[in-house]
Amino acid sequence: DQQVKQNSPSLSVQEGRISILNCDYTNSMFDYFLWYKKYPAEGPTFLISISSIKDKNEDGRFTVFLNKSAKHLSLHIVPSQPGDSAVYFCAANMDSSYKLIFGSGTRLLVRP
Amino acid sequence: DAGITQSPRYKITETGRQVTLMCHQTWSHSYMFWYRQDLGHGLRLIYYSAAADITDKGEVPDGYVVSRSKTENFPLTLESATRSQTSVYFCASNKNGGDYGYTFGSGTRLTVV
Repeated sequence: DQQVKQNSPSLSVQEGRISILNCDYTNSMFDYFLWYKKYPAEGPTFLISISSIKDKNEDGRFTVFLNKSAKHLSLHIVPSQPGDSAVYFCAANMDSSYKLIFGSGTRLLVRP
Repeated sequence: DAGITQSPRYKITETGRQVTLMCHQTWSHSYMFWYRQDLGHGLRLIYYSAAADITDKGEVPDGYVVSRSKTENFPLTLESATRSQTSVYFCASNKNGGDYGYTFGSGTRLTVV
């Protein structure tokens, strides 16, 4: 049973618009959440993270929102750029275990 | 160059063969991990290591063996490869210090025929 779920396998957005990628989790013990971006033939790269004591974290065009009551987090990219086209993985961690549990990924396509 | 490197980048092997995927990092990070990426499953943890000579199972350890005799190396061995082990394998490392962001290698694409 997947503890971290990304229910949208793909998303297509026009350049300059907002991209919203969603992630749901089932384990209330998760206390740290991360987003990774992956280009073809490369390893995933860390993008942004959020602790469970916060509900928002912002880094430039990227903002992650956490709704603990709904066990839901989202990644907002504003404005979206063609270079943002990649697969985005949501990941979660608990108790400082250093083991990350990943979702299945969402492929984002930003159209020029 | 500093970083995390995986070898080989591509490997084709036959069912039943033993194959070892290599991972080397130059930062002296304490933690190292092996993940496999499969369509529809995302990244699943195979094994991880908290330090030299300390390893533990992840979500999908069956059919795999790891060792960590040196901090910088974390090889993954498929003792008797099966077609279900066809996948892309990623090694990652993480420093011990509260930052949970991993650094991943570029991956090894393994095909078992």
